Amino acid sequence: NAGVTQTPKFQVLKTGQSMTLQCAQDMNHNSMYWYRQDPGMGLRLIYYSASEGTTDKGEVPNGYNVSRLNKREFSLRLESAAPSQTSVYFCASSEVSGLSNQPQHFGDGTRLSIL
Amino acid sequence: AQSVTQLGSHVSVSEGALVLLRCNYSSSVPPYLFWYVQYPNQGLQLLLKYTSAATLVKGINGFEAEFKKSETSFHLTKPSAHMSDAAEYFCAVSNAGGSYIPTFGRGTSLIVHP
Repeated sequence: NAGVTQTPKFQVLKTGQSMTLQCAQDMNHNSMYWYRQDPGMGLRLIYYSASEGTTDKGEVPNGYNVSRLNKREFSLRLESAAPSQTSVYFCASSEVSGLSNQPQHFGDGTRLSIL
Repeated sequence: AQSVTQLGSHVSVSEGALVLLRCNYSSSVPPYLFWYVQYPNQGLQLLLKYTSAATLVKGINGFEAEFKKSETSFHLTKPSAHMSDAAEYFCAVSNAGGSYIPTFGRGTSLIVHP
């Protein structure tokens, strides 16, 4: 039972390079999310996908794009990396219905450094 | 609108002592509340959740939290700290009436001294 799988686990980029972070879940969840975690800032939502075929901006979307490839996969792309995007990135998924709000399941993160 | 405030970015306790991590929330509709734990180099894991069934919620690893509507609080407690409890703890709020997307607090780092 893999849960949420993120690749890669670590990455170093140079300023201006592009990169795609991959995320896949095997729990048949409808909703998927991308967060960044910075010291003292908690988790900040970058983008989310409420269901297959939809994506929406979160709190800090600038400099990022996303693709909900299918129900399982949700990728995050940095088109032109900047040092301010150095962070730990987490993907999460959850099942949401009108009657209850299930918790999120998180991957182990991608540690991204931009020089 | 919803928000979460975690009082204290760091909490230090001795092994065997009571653990109390504070969380206050703001929500315009009845909330769902969660506590997550994050161990070093790992993602967040659910400790417990409140979804209106009972105000005292028991979670994994001996943790529990009490929902107090009058105080808009959802503090996390454990009677006796263990070294393995050292981690980062996050409180989160969401709701079914508005945005189901949770808002996270900034986290509290629990330090356990032998």
